[in-house]
Amino acid sequence: EPEVTQTPSHQVTQMGQEVILRCVPISNHLYFYWYRQILGQKVEFLVSFYNNEISEKSEIFDDQFSVERPDGSNFTLKIRSTKLEDSAMYFCASSVMKGNPPQHFGDGTRLSIL
Amino acid sequence: AQSVAQPEDQVNVAEGNPLTVKCTYSVSGNPYLFWYVQYPNRGLQFLLKYITGDNLVKGSYGFEAEFNKSQTSFHLKKPSALVSDSALYFCAVRALNSGNTPLVFGKGTRLSVIA
Repeated sequence: EPEVTQTPSHQVTQMGQEVILRCVPISNHLYFYWYRQILGQKVEFLVSFYNNEISEKSEIFDDQFSVERPDGSNFTLKIRSTKLEDSAMYFCASSVMKGNPPQHFGDGTRLSIL
Repeated sequence: AQSVAQPEDQVNVAEGNPLTVKCTYSVSGNPYLFWYVQYPNRGLQFLLKYITGDNLVKGSYGFEAEFNKSQTSFHLKKPSALVSDSALYFCAVRALNSGNTPLVFGKGTRLSVIA
């Protein structure tokens, strides 16, 4: 069964540094998402992306965040200047366009800001 | 605005016994409901969904969920729990026919199945 893959599995970064989290969505999927899960808390929506542009974004997704689909397979989340409170699990998800499909999630990247 | 409530942080059940993980929701219009499971150090794995039709939905690994519109609930059930079912379970909702809008998740319920 095709999967959403995320790299790296764990990223440790100094506060203030830029970080890029990478995702390869399922190949025939057209909608892409980023969610995050702070330790012990619920999963929160960050941003959705379709047709090479952001569809929706939450209040969390401020100017420090950006997303990009640089080629036909990757979908990246960039945090420009990381803060301690950015430490979380970041999940990429994708879904096909038709109907009301489930979103398929990757295993996540654990981001630790020091 | 959409919201999901999972009133139990933790559910403990003996192996072989039936299990229920509770979920109630609030959404404008008709709901599109999901259950996901998260094993340690893994992502969210889709279990089942409800759109329309039969109120009892069957999903992966023997799980099922019952949609109750009057109670705005979507409780997850399994007739006979396995130790391997121990994991974190998330209920999620979005409004039906709202395009591909994001999911709103509950805070999760940790299920522990004891041998």
